[in-house]
Amino acid sequence: EAEVAQSPRYKITEKSQAVAFWCDPISGHATLYWYRQILGQGPELLVQFQDESVVDDSQLPKDRFSAERLKGVDSTLKIQPAELGDSAMYLCASSYSGSNTGELFFGEGSRLTVL
Amino acid sequence: QKEVEQNSGPLSVPEGAIASLNCTYSDRGSQSFFWYRQYSGKSPELIMFIYSNGDKEDGRFTAQLNKASQYVSLLIRDSQPSDSATYLCAVNGKGGAQKLVFGQGTRLTINP
Repeated sequence: EAEVAQSPRYKITEKSQAVAFWCDPISGHATLYWYRQILGQGPELLVQFQDESVVDDSQLPKDRFSAERLKGVDSTLKIQPAELGDSAMYLCASSYSGSNTGELFFGEGSRLTVL
Repeated sequence: QKEVEQNSGPLSVPEGAIASLNCTYSDRGSQSFFWYRQYSGKSPELIMFIYSNGDKEDGRFTAQLNKASQYVSLLIRDSQPSDSATYLCAVNGKGGAQKLVFGQGTRLTINP
């Protein structure tokens, strides 16, 4: 069964360092999402791509976060510099544009701890 | 006001009973409503979606939608310990059916 791949699964870093997360969506899924989930809260959308274009990045803290999906396939989310409050699970999800269910398929997530 | 609100729980239900999870949303234009289950340390997985007012049943799960009251619920019949998880309500946002806004989740515990 096709899955959304994410790496790394776990990342521990010190504040002010740079971190990067990678996501490879399910083949054929044009829409890709990065969500942040703080412990005990629901996922919060950071950025949504349609192919290589950003559809929504209104909640992305652009002073320190950046995201790209250059060839419209895999994507990278970067944080520079990391802050203590960035400790969270970073979830990547993808969906098929032609889907009438709107189902999102999530990867296993990348858990970030900032010390 | 949050776009999607859920009681964070924890909700504790005895095994075999009915678990009832509730969700309200603020955007009257929302068309699609989803329930995701998230086990501790894992990513969310879709268990139900509903578009029309009324009930939708899938096995032990029933989703209920009342657009006039802006209310969505999930019933789990014959609750099992394996149903213990956090249940996330999600609603399509202003970006259309493929932009989901999640509630904070309700943590459900089924007691044997």
